[in-house]
Amino acid sequence: GIQVEQSPPDLILQEGANSTLRCNFSDSVNNLQWFHQNPWGQLINLFYIPSGTKQNGRLSATTVATERYSLLYISSSQTTDSGVYFCAVKAAGNKLTFGGGTRVLVKP
Amino acid sequence: DAGVTQSPTHLIKTRGQQVTLRCSPKSGHDTVSWYQQALGQGPQFIFQYYEEEERQRGNFPDRFSGHQFPNYSSELNVNALLLGDSALYLCASSLDGGPVGSFGEGSRLTVL
Repeated sequence: GIQVEQSPPDLILQEGANSTLRCNFSDSVNNLQWFHQNPWGQLINLFYIPSGTKQNGRLSATTVATERYSLLYISSSQTTDSGVYFCAVKAAGNKLTFGGGTRVLVKP
Repeated sequence: DAGVTQSPTHLIKTRGQQVTLRCSPKSGHDTVSWYQQALGQGPQFIFQYYEEEERQRGNFPDRFSGHQFPNYSSELNVNALLLGDSALYLCASSLDGGPVGSFGEGSRLTVL
C-alpha cells in the first residue's frame, strides 16, 4: 500500500517562530488532508489539498502532486498550535492512510 | 449543528471480553469510517460504512465488525479483546466518501 512519511518527527518552537512540516508519499493520490490533533485527542481538519496552495490565517499548505510531497507552513506560532500534525492521503478506494505525525511544542 | 459524536469516551475491559463503540455522524453526512490509533502512532483505517454496507476494510481481523443504521449512525464491535486492542478509536464522517470533514473526540479503550 501507499507509504506516508512525515518530517521532522518532533519540533520545538519559540512562540512567534515560523516552521515548515513536510509530508512525502509513495504513489499518486486523489486526496490529501492535513489534520491537527489537540492534546485531548481530537483531530481537526486543517486543509483538503490534493494539489496547489491554500491559506487559512497563519497556516498555509502546498501540495506538489507530481513530486509526491506536501508542506504545511505555520507562521507566527502560538502555544495553541501545539499538538500533533498529521498528513493523510487517499489513493484508490476510500481509505485514508496517515503518516506518523509531527509533534509540535510551542513554548511561550 | 452537532459534529461527530462518539460514546463512550473512556472504557476499561479485560482480555476476552467484547466491546461496542458508537458513532453519530455530522448532520448531513452519510458515510462513517472507523480508525484505531495506538499511542504515539497515526490512525489506522479499520473500515468504512456507506448505505448500511461495509464499503472498504483495512488490515484488521474479523474480530472487528461494524454496522451502520438507517439514520447513518454506526457501531464498532470488537470481540475477544486482546491487550493490543488498547487504543483510541476514532470515527470520521463524510459525504459519500468524500474528504473527511469531521472526526469525533474518540473512545479510549483500555484492555487489562
